[in-house]
Amino acid sequence: GENVEQHPSTLSVQEGDSAVIKCTYSDSASNYFPWYKQELGKGPQLIIDIRSNVGEKKDQRIAVTLNKTAKHFSLHITETQPEDSAVYFCAASSGSARQLTFGSGTQLTVLP
Amino acid sequence: DAGVIQSPRHEVTEMGQEVTLRCKPISGHDYLFWYRQTMMRGLELLIYFNNNVPIDDSGMPEDRFSAKMPNASFSTLKIQPSEPRDSAVYFCASSFGGLAFFGQGTRLTVV
Repeated sequence: GENVEQHPSTLSVQEGDSAVIKCTYSDSASNYFPWYKQELGKGPQLIIDIRSNVGEKKDQRIAVTLNKTAKHFSLHITETQPEDSAVYFCAASSGSARQLTFGSGTQLTVLP
Repeated sequence: DAGVIQSPRHEVTEMGQEVTLRCKPISGHDYLFWYRQTMMRGLELLIYFNNNVPIDDSGMPEDRFSAKMPNASFSTLKIQPSEPRDSAVYFCASSFGGLAFFGQGTRLTVV
């Protein structure tokens, strides 16, 4: 089955700086890669996703890149703000069901 | 739409008791997933349904766990009998076209 590795497990940045979280996946059949943000006491919230036919996608301060050859994808957050502090999960899936295999999560702390 | 709705938000029960977690997916979504989240194991897929039919329950840890989806707007996850190691946050998610949305979760504590 699919295996997704995520790092770093914790990341602290100063407000206004950029944050980068990286993931690798094992199943070459995976073709959909969403990112979720989880705040304390809440469920994971989809923030951006990318499909295997695209190398990069951007939504305001958030961008995701995908390298299919190397089987890795990354989340980039620019101009970080304190409200960006949360746990971020990457995930990978394939097939029509899109059952997700999650990475282990990154606790991002944005210091004011 | 109110999103995926789970109940209860918190459940504390004694070991050996039956626990039932409930989920109302987003209307129109054709897939429903149950996940469990723990510090040790992260987010684990337990079971998922397509159009109310269970497709893959290989993630269900033991026979003590069962899940049903009697109709498109309701699903349950039952643990009988419950054990302390079942303590976790259980999430329900629904999806359509590949986009999965999660509920707020049920925090289960078995004492």
